[in-house]
Amino acid sequence: QVQLQESGPGLVKPSQTLSLTCTVSGGSISSGIYYWSWIRQHPGKGLELIGYTFYSGSTYYNPSLKSRLTISVDTSKNLFSLKLSSVTAADTAVYYCARGWSYYGSLGWFDPWGQGTLVTVSS
Amino acid sequence: IVLTQSPGTLSLSPGERATLSCRASQSVSSSYVAWYQQKAGQAPRLLIYGASSRATGIPDRFTGSGSGTDFTLTISRLEPEDFALYYCQQFGSSPCTFGQGTKVVIK
Repeated sequence: QVQLQESGPGLVKPSQTLSLTCTVSGGSISSGIYYWSWIRQHPGKGLELIGYTFYSGSTYYNPSLKSRLTISVDTSKNLFSLKLSSVTAADTAVYYCARGWSYYGSLGWFDPWGQGTLVTVSS
Repeated sequence: IVLTQSPGTLSLSPGERATLSCRASQSVSSSYVAWYQQKAGQAPRLLIYGASSRATGIPDRFTGSGSGTDFTLTISRLEPEDFALYYCQQFGSSPCTFGQGTKVVIK
């Protein structure tokens, strides 16, 4: 079964770039029409879609983050990545990667999810 | 679309029925809703998709229903492992959005 695992620094300084990687195991990132997604959860708060990529490299970014966001895919390594620039304390959150399912040609639900990684923005 | 879940906390005993509400700020096609369960320190787990289809391995005590702006997750008889945080998600409008969650706690 497909599993996802996030990796990356747990502490990032303000104004720097947050970089995370999601490694997919148990299946090929290139098989099927999936939305390889990043979702974050601020401490004690709800969930927010950051954006997603297809294995082709096409991406969607949440408009609220678009100017600072880059999501990319590396099919040879079966992983996808997130870069969020100019971070502030408001970007402190648990970051999840997840596989989004297609529903009538658009993004549907998410399953499975990675275990999540806490990223703290602090000097 | 803003999703508002109620109540914020639901205090029930094992064996009781839980009814969790998710109200959308605009109408959502009934099949464009999903529900997740999250336990402390864990990632969300998909329970229901397409408004009423159960994900693999999800017991039939979990039922999703609703239409328009009002959606419901019902747990027919609470088991000890069901006490957790529950989120609804809509994917009928981009970007998809999540509710703020309902916490089901042991009374």
